[in-house]
Amino acid sequence: DSGVTQTPKHLITATGQRVTLRCSPRSGDLSVYWYQQSLDQGLQFLIQYYNGEERAKGNILERFSAQQFPDLHSELNLSSLELGDSALYFCASSVGRHGDYGYTFGSGTRLTVV
Amino acid sequence: AQKVTQAQTEISVVEKEDVTLDCVYETRDTTYYLFWYKQPPSGELVFLIRRNSFDEQNEISGRYSWNFQKSTSSFNFTITASQVVDSAVYFCALSGYPGGSQGNLIFGKGTKLSVKP
Repeated sequence: DSGVTQTPKHLITATGQRVTLRCSPRSGDLSVYWYQQSLDQGLQFLIQYYNGEERAKGNILERFSAQQFPDLHSELNLSSLELGDSALYFCASSVGRHGDYGYTFGSGTRLTVV
Repeated sequence: AQKVTQAQTEISVVEKEDVTLDCVYETRDTTYYLFWYKQPPSGELVFLIRRNSFDEQNEISGRYSWNFQKSTSSFNFTITASQVVDSAVYFCALSGYPGGSQGNLIFGKGTKLSVKP
């Protein structure tokens, strides 16, 4: 157990739907990062939150949004889902704004859009 | 722009062979971190090593060794006497240093290593 908890582990949903992925960071970590791993794009950085505030944005679609709550857990919301959104979504956490003490990854949520 | 290139898409070796996975990176930062992760068929990302740009010493951990050469912007990973359990996708990644341009990881496309018995 890495200490980063992602739920659910698997999700199957239909096109056009909306889903929420949840991540609880390792105890003491203030940063949460979201990554998307698809076959054609590889591991892509989506967004980072640090202590409740958005810190950095990567290749995140407008249909996707995220937030970090006061208890530091984070949610990634994916709406108007398309077949191409099928991917493995990873959450990672770190102590600070950077990976100076490393990053801890969760086991991922596998999203299948049918 | 920051970029990580793993030119080898797939490598296949026979057990007990040595294998080197290449990683070349680009960054404008003068200080940064480099990482290697392993992704076995089960899908999770397993941390292998983190190296900061100040430290160019090579590192050995059991059958694993890493060669960091700042002059060629490379951070190569060698597995000695490979085993079937080493079969996985290996990712090289780069992140900024505190105070630098970014804190998130930039991943290479990965190298799929197959070790056959």
